[in-house]
Amino acid sequence: NAGVTQTPKFQVLKTGQSMTLQCAQDMNHNSMYWYRQDPGMGLRLIYYSASEGTTDKGEVPNGYNVSRLNKREFSLRLESAAPSQTSVYFCASSEGAGGANVLTFGAGSRLTVL
Amino acid sequence: GQQVMQIPQYQHVQEGEDFTTYCNSSTTLSNIQWYKQRPGGHPVFLIQLVKSGEVKKQKRLTFQFGEAKKNSSLHITATQTTDVGTYFCAGRWAGSYQLTFGKGTKLSVIP
Repeated sequence: NAGVTQTPKFQVLKTGQSMTLQCAQDMNHNSMYWYRQDPGMGLRLIYYSASEGTTDKGEVPNGYNVSRLNKREFSLRLESAAPSQTSVYFCASSEGAGGANVLTFGAGSRLTVL
Repeated sequence: GQQVMQIPQYQHVQEGEDFTTYCNSSTTLSNIQWYKQRPGGHPVFLIQLVKSGEVKKQKRLTFQFGEAKKNSSLHITATQTTDVGTYFCAGRWAGSYQLTFGKGTKLSVIP
């Protein structure tokens, strides 16, 4: 039982390049999330998907797009990376939608944009 | 937007000393969760508090939710080196769909 799996673990991009972070969960959870973590800033919600087929913006959605490919997979795309997007990205899932549900996090993807 | 204020940002303690981190909201929370993130790791759920005045214990960890549901605390008794990491609270307000995380308290334990 792997839980939440993110790929890649590390990535270095040049400004303007694009990339997709992949996330998959095997817990049959309905809701999935993408957070970014910056030093001293805590975890900030980028996008979430309350259920398969739906996506919504979180606190810091600018510069990102997401796709809920199926119930298991939720990807995060950076179309034109900027140095301000250098961060650690965490995917998470929860059984139900909303803030009363417990989040299970992946191991994280460390992205550096030069 | 609404924020959850968490203090202190850093705490260095001698092994065996106690540790407390606090979270505060200006408005009433519906629920609050606590997570622990080990260095280089990912956040891991510890506990959820829902009721006014609720107190929950996990071994040496004690979690409290204030009577007005505007503040919460995590207290660790007799810290150990395994307690090292960053502790986050995450709160939700009525009418708000998602959790909002505090900025975390980074705990260092000196052996």
